Amino acid sequence: EVQLVQSGAEVRKPGESLKISCKASGYSFTDFWIGWVRQMPGKGLEWMGIIYPADSDSRYSPSFQGQVTISADKSHNTAYLQWSGLKASDTAMYYCARPTSLNNYPYYFDHWGQGTLVTVSS
Amino acid sequence: VIWMTQSPSLVSASTGDRVTISCRVSQGITNNLVWYQQKPGKAPELLIYAASTLQRGVPSRFSGSGSGTDFTLTISGLQSEDLATYYCQQYYTFPRTFGQGTKVEIK
Repeated sequence: EVQLVQSGAEVRKPGESLKISCKASGYSFTDFWIGWVRQMPGKGLEWMGIIYPADSDSRYSPSFQGQVTISADKSHNTAYLQWSGLKASDTAMYYCARPTSLNNYPYYFDHWGQGTLVTVSS
Repeated sequence: VIWMTQSPSLVSASTGDRVTISCRVSQGITNNLVWYQQKPGKAPELLIYAASTLQRGVPSRFSGSGSGTDFTLTISGLQSEDLATYYCQQYYTFPRTFGQGTKVEIK
């Protein structure tokens, strides 16, 4: 059974750094892309980006390029989302998700983590 | 970037009603569209892929149609457990993009 288990809720101050995680199990981690979706309070879903753990190839939404870094650790079957200088506007729920793939090309997310709530407040 | 526009933003219907949600896309995406259901406080779940194929385990009262730029999600016989927000998303190109969501309320 595919499972994506995310790290717990975080509270940080503006300007601080943060790295949240998503541990995958139940499938070969390097065979599938894995991505992140943001949901700000009371708002809709925003596609942030995805990474292919086998070679760290990545795709970012222009809205998030340069604002966050997506990475993956093959030895720990874990994907990460990190910020180097948080803003209050980064307050949101963040979901990791695994897309279905064919020939290493990612399609749509068919497995989701439970979400990690990030709160940025002074 | 491909833009997705859902309508309506909110629909209030009674159990047993037929509910239709529209998703319009800013450029043709053939059938590379999915629908997700997000219940309050939960992660989204995949309902339909390739515009009209039901994900395994999804009740048959859900159906999807469309191709190109116009897509529809239909719930035939609304149930109380269908209270949720529904999102369309294209996977034709990067970045993937979502519609803004349609909240379904039960009268």
